[in-house]
Amino acid sequence: DTAVSQTPKYLVTQMGNDKSIKCEQNLGHDTMYWYKQDSKKFLKIMFSYNNKELIINETVPNRFSPKSPDKAHLNLHINSLELGDSAVYFCASSQMRQGAEQYFGPGTRLTVT
Amino acid sequence: SQQGEEDPQALSIQEGENATMNCSYKTSINNLQWYRQNSGRGLVHLILIRSNEREKHSGRLRVTLDTSKKSSSLLITASRAADTASYFCASPQANAGGTSYGKLTFGQGTILTVHP
Repeated sequence: DTAVSQTPKYLVTQMGNDKSIKCEQNLGHDTMYWYKQDSKKFLKIMFSYNNKELIINETVPNRFSPKSPDKAHLNLHINSLELGDSAVYFCASSQMRQGAEQYFGPGTRLTVT
Repeated sequence: SQQGEEDPQALSIQEGENATMNCSYKTSINNLQWYRQNSGRGLVHLILIRSNEREKHSGRLRVTLDTSKKSSSLLITASRAADTASYFCASPQANAGGTSYGKLTFGQGTILTVHP
């Protein structure tokens, strides 16, 4: 019954590796997002997709590449991981309308060593 | 720069007391939203207040919005230990075309601790 799910919940990896985080929502929403939350709890949007189309692409290193195979899935692939990529990554979804509330996944805690 | 900034950064109260958190923002908004984040969990939407509303209630939550001061407040009445969490305000940001596409800008949140 989980609305927005992410896998894995924890990810520990070494610098230079490539990793992916998966996100799925079963709410029938047409818009999905990736956020990064740093150690100070500051939450910043990275990407947004609407109906599989990229609509928000913040200033994020191009080592980060989102992929949306369908409306219910939005994956995040990260190449050549760096120490500064350590953070909690949240997926979210909403309907595409002004100010719609967003539903968040449980987060993926990424630790790069 | 952050759109929403919460104040105080941390708040510690006893069960039964009221908790008030404030949020200031910089640009014009058409609505402002409040979210709660329990430790180690994702954010949960609490309440949305539109720019033409001054006050809104939901259970023990009361939100006010003052667009002239670009500020909002969240009041939790009769707090419980289960209210312990971080609270964030967020507002949709418009892009160059004037639409927001759901882009929310969050502040750093207020950490609320309610002692039993």
